[in-house]
Amino acid sequence: GENVEQHPSTLSVQEGDSAVIKCTYSDSASNYFPWYKQELGKGPQLIIDIRSNVGEKKDQRIAVTLNKTAKHFSLHITETQPEDSAVYFCAASGGGFQKLVFGTGTRLLVSP
Amino acid sequence: EADIYQTPRYLVIGTGKKITLECSQTMGHDKMYWYQQDPGMELHLIHYSYGVNSTEKGDLSSESTVSRIRTEHFPLTLESARPSHTSQYLCASTPTDRVGEKLFFGSGTQLSVL
Repeated sequence: GENVEQHPSTLSVQEGDSAVIKCTYSDSASNYFPWYKQELGKGPQLIIDIRSNVGEKKDQRIAVTLNKTAKHFSLHITETQPEDSAVYFCAASGGGFQKLVFGTGTRLLVSP
Repeated sequence: EADIYQTPRYLVIGTGKKITLECSQTMGHDKMYWYQQDPGMELHLIHYSYGVNSTEKGDLSSESTVSRIRTEHFPLTLESARPSHTSQYLCASTPTDRVGEKLFFGSGTQLSVL
C-alpha cells in the first residue's frame, strides 16, 4: 500500500519568511496529492491540491510542486503570516478517498 | 464553512462504558468517513460509507462500529471503552469519490477514557 513521509515535523519561521514542507510517497500509481491545514480545535481543511499531470500549482501565497520521477511533492508558503500557524498534512491517493493516505503532519509556527 | 457537525466536542468517560459519537452533515453527501487522529497528529481512516446501509472498515483496525441508516447521519459506537481508545475522532464527508473532490471535516470529538 501507499506510504507517505512528511518533513519536517515542526517548522518555526519569522513573519514574512517562506516555509517549505516536503512529502515523499511510495506508490507510483498515486495521482492525486492534496494538502490540508488544521487549525487548533478544528478539522482539517483543503488548501491546495495537485494531480499527477501537473508539475506546479499556485494559489496566491501558496504553491505546490510535484516531481513524479522522484515521487515527492512540496508545499511552499511565501510571505508567511501569524494566521498561517497550524498543522499541515500532505496526502496521496491512487483512487478514492478510502485509499487516501495522510502524512504525519507538520506543525508550522509563524512568529510576529 | 462545511456543514458537518460532531457531538460531543469533548468526552471523558470511565473504562467499560458504551459511547456513541455523533456525526451529521446537511450537504446531502453520500460518502462519509471516520478518521482517528493520534496525539502525534497522524490521521488514520477507520470506517467509511458510500451511502445508506453501506459501511466498510478502513486501513486502521478499530474496535468501534458504525451505522448509516440515514444519509445525513453516521454515528460511531464503542461498546466498551478502554484507555487505548483515547484519541481525537474526526468525521468527514464528500459528495462523490472522484479524484480531486474535497473532504469536508467536522471539528472532531476528543475522547478520553480513564
